[in-house]
Amino acid sequence: QVQLQQSGAELMKPGASVKISCKATGYTFSSYWIEWVKQRPGHGLEWIGEILPGSGSTNYNEKFKGKATFTADTSSNTAYMQLSSLTSEDSAVYYCARGGTTGYFDVWGAGTTVTVSS
Amino acid sequence: DIQMTQSPASLSASVGETVTITCRASGNIHNYLAWYQQKQGKSPQLLVYNAKTLADGVPSRFSGSGSGTQYSLKINSLQPEDFGSYYCQHFWSTPRTFGGGTKLEIK
Repeated sequence: QVQLQQSGAELMKPGASVKISCKATGYTFSSYWIEWVKQRPGHGLEWIGEILPGSGSTNYNEKFKGKATFTADTSSNTAYMQLSSLTSEDSAVYYCARGGTTGYFDVWGAGTTVTVSS
Repeated sequence: DIQMTQSPASLSASVGETVTITCRASGNIHNYLAWYQQKQGKSPQLLVYNAKTLADGVPSRFSGSGSGTQYSLKINSLQPEDFGSYYCQHFWSTPRTFGGGTKLEIK
């Protein structure tokens, strides 16, 4: 079945960078967008952006340009999101999801918790 | 950018009741709307897409409706497993904005 497996929780220092992974199984990885979503307590869900692994095409929420960078490795069916210059505002759960046929998010990973603390 | 305004922010209801959650888009999103359910500590799960199509395995007590800028999610005969948070999201354009969420609690 279609699954997205995310990497484990990260504890990072302010100013550092972190790279989160999202491994896809059960479908043709290159053909579907991988979406990235941020969730902080009390802040709901925020769309960070998306990548189409087959072409490397990306779309970023303007709010996250310069903060997030997406890459994808089709040989390992894994998508990555790097977050740079971390601050306490980046402490959150980050989800990857598969972009369905017309753009809805039909399968979600379990989430990766990033904690930024000195 | 299209903004999504979801209401109510919280809702208290009893098992067996019927509830409705609404979402208003700041522009026409042409039925490119999804609803997600999220339980505490879990990832969101797709309930409805294209405004009214139930995702696989979603019980028929859930229904989506609406068009243009106004959409709603109705849950008939609430069950204990329905309590949690609900989010709408448009996918007409980027950024694919979510509504602020509705927390559905047991009365």
